[in-house]
Formats: sequence, structure tokens, C-alpha cells
Amino acid sequence: DAKTTQPPSMDCAEGRAANLPCNHSTISGNEYVYWYRQIHSQGPQYIIHGLKNNETNEMASLIITEDRKSSTLILPHATLRDTAVYYCIVRPKTSYDKVIFGPGTSLSVIP
Amino acid sequence: EPEVTQTPSHQVTQMGQEVILRCVPISNHLYFYWYRQILGQKVEFLVSFYNNEISEKSEIFDDQFSVERPDGSNFTLKIRSTKLEDSAMYFCASSDGQDFYNEQFFGPGTRLTVL
Repeated sequence: DAKTTQPPSMDCAEGRAANLPCNHSTISGNEYVYWYRQIHSQGPQYIIHGLKNNETNEMASLIITEDRKSSTLILPHATLRDTAVYYCIVRPKTSYDKVIFGPGTSLSVIP
Repeated sequence: EPEVTQTPSHQVTQMGQEVILRCVPISNHLYFYWYRQILGQKVEFLVSFYNNEISEKSEIFDDQFSVERPDGSNFTLKIRSTKLEDSAMYFCASSDGQDFYNEQFFGPGTRLTVL
């Protein structure tokens, strides 16, 4: 089962930052935080991952608390195309482990 | 940008028939996966495949399922005798196994409808 807790749904105004929270209080020292998203009826898409430092790429930023028990995915300027289900996933370092998806957060970006 | 492709995009079959779902992973990738998503439910892991053998399989992946990499480029999922409850989206994924962080790239999926 997924080791994370996310709100089932969120709304965000177009052009504003979308902040998606995730709790992973049982995360262990060798586990990374990954974020994927799934736009309706499409395959999941990798967004970003991190261990303990904040990370940023062209899609999003990931803020991980110092105790690593929670994190926030930030989409700085949400667009309608960012409407999707966002999955926060905790995974070990091994390079071949399956991805265990929870129910995720359904983000609706509103015009 | 390289991508995972899957065919067909939609497969309709009669209960009890065999189906083969096809995937072309990204060319230099070494690890391959199948997941499924029943309508309205979460994405579920089925099987992982590396070095021409199954690395891990879930309890969903019973004797009716099999995977194969027949020619070094395709990766297939076979369901021998489909059931109504096999109706779902099936996603193939691959990862290069070299990247320590194992980013998995997913295909667009095949929608399987069993009548």
C-alpha cells in the first residue's frame, strides 16, 4: 500500500501557484519522494523527485520538510493543462522498484 | 524526446478470448513494467521484467497473464482467457536502470474492453 497521505482534491486558479501537500511520516532514510501526475486517460508522467533538499525543474518545485515527514509540490503558474491527478510516492533507492500509486490528489485548475 | 508507445490504443474482445497488448519501450531501457487501471480506480502494478525474466509480479498477475520480449524491441502482455474484470487501461513503462533514481516512463495505455 501507498505510504503517503494526500488530500483527495484541490482547486487552483489559472495563473496562480498550485501547492499540493503530501504526508509521509513513516518515510525511512533511504527512501526518496517522487511525484507523478496523470492527465485524464493518459499514462502517468514523472514530475520530480527528492531526498531531503528542495528540488526544482522545468515543471515544478519540491519542498521537503527538514524532518522529511511531509513535502509540497509547487506548480508555480498553473495552467488548464495542469489539471490532473497528482501522486506523491515514497520509494527506495533501488533502480528497478515498482511504483505504488495511491489515490493521489485531483487538481482542478479553474479559468 | 523518446517515448514509450503502445498498440492498440483500444482493444475490444469477447470473454474467454486471448489478447496480446504490445509495447515498444524506450530503446536503451533495461527494465520494463506493466500496470493496469480499472476505470475510476488507482493504477496497479502487474509485473516487472529485466534481463528476459520476471523480476516481480503482483497477486493480480496470475497464470492467465504472461509477458515476453520477443525481439529485443517489443514487450508484450498476454492474457490467455480474458474475463470481464480484466477490462481496464493497461500501461507499459520502462526505465533505463542506469539512473539511480529510476524515473519510469509510461506509455499512453491500451484500453481493454472485455464483453
